[in-house]
Amino acid sequence: AQKITQTQPGMFVQEKEAVTLDCTYDTSDQSYGLFWYKQPSSGEMIFLIYQGSYDEQNATEGRYSLNFQKARKSANLVISASQLGDSAMYFCAMREGRMDSSYKLIFGSGTRLLVRP
Amino acid sequence: NAGVTQTPKFRVLKTGQSMTLLCAQDMNHEYMYWYRQDPGMGLRLIHYSVGEGTTAKGEVPDGYNVSRLKKQNFLLGLESAAPSQTSVYFCASSSFTGWGNQPQHFGDGTRLSIL
Repeated sequence: AQKITQTQPGMFVQEKEAVTLDCTYDTSDQSYGLFWYKQPSSGEMIFLIYQGSYDEQNATEGRYSLNFQKARKSANLVISASQLGDSAMYFCAMREGRMDSSYKLIFGSGTRLLVRP
Repeated sequence: NAGVTQTPKFRVLKTGQSMTLLCAQDMNHEYMYWYRQDPGMGLRLIHYSVGEGTTAKGEVPDGYNVSRLKKQNFLLGLESAAPSQTSVYFCASSSFTGWGNQPQHFGDGTRLSIL
């Protein structure tokens, strides 16, 4: 069964430093996609970054980058130059393989990040 | 640009009551989803729809029904509410691409309490 694991329930980072949020996944599909979402205390889900299983380059979006290690089945989110506004819950999610064209997402349990001034 | 709109935002029900949560999207997306989020957990899929008039079960469908009579709307119904259905409910939508790289866009959530 497909599964997403986020082993860090909570993390602290000093403002302006970089932080890595871990995500490992389990799937037998060759075609899959990995997403990261941010959930601030206000509750909405904000899409951050996407990595496809066939993408050769690691995805980047501004201060967000994805450290994709396919052989290790990990897709860690790296936030550079942390800001106070980065304090939030972060969820890693996986899109099920292309055989299932519903593009359903499976979510991890999340990591709560707190940025210290 | 409204995106995905959920109504209501908050609701308190008594055990056994019924209600319908409405999700509306203005992005002409084919796919729509209903999730629930419980404390300390990620989102779990309740039901989803890949097009107007079609629905399918997700991971935790028991106690819920859905309908998608119009492409832009996806309704989630609780026939007989139970305390275990106390949760935050999120609706999401996404467009179809062959690569599946389009993100799901989420509404702001509905906080539902069952007493």
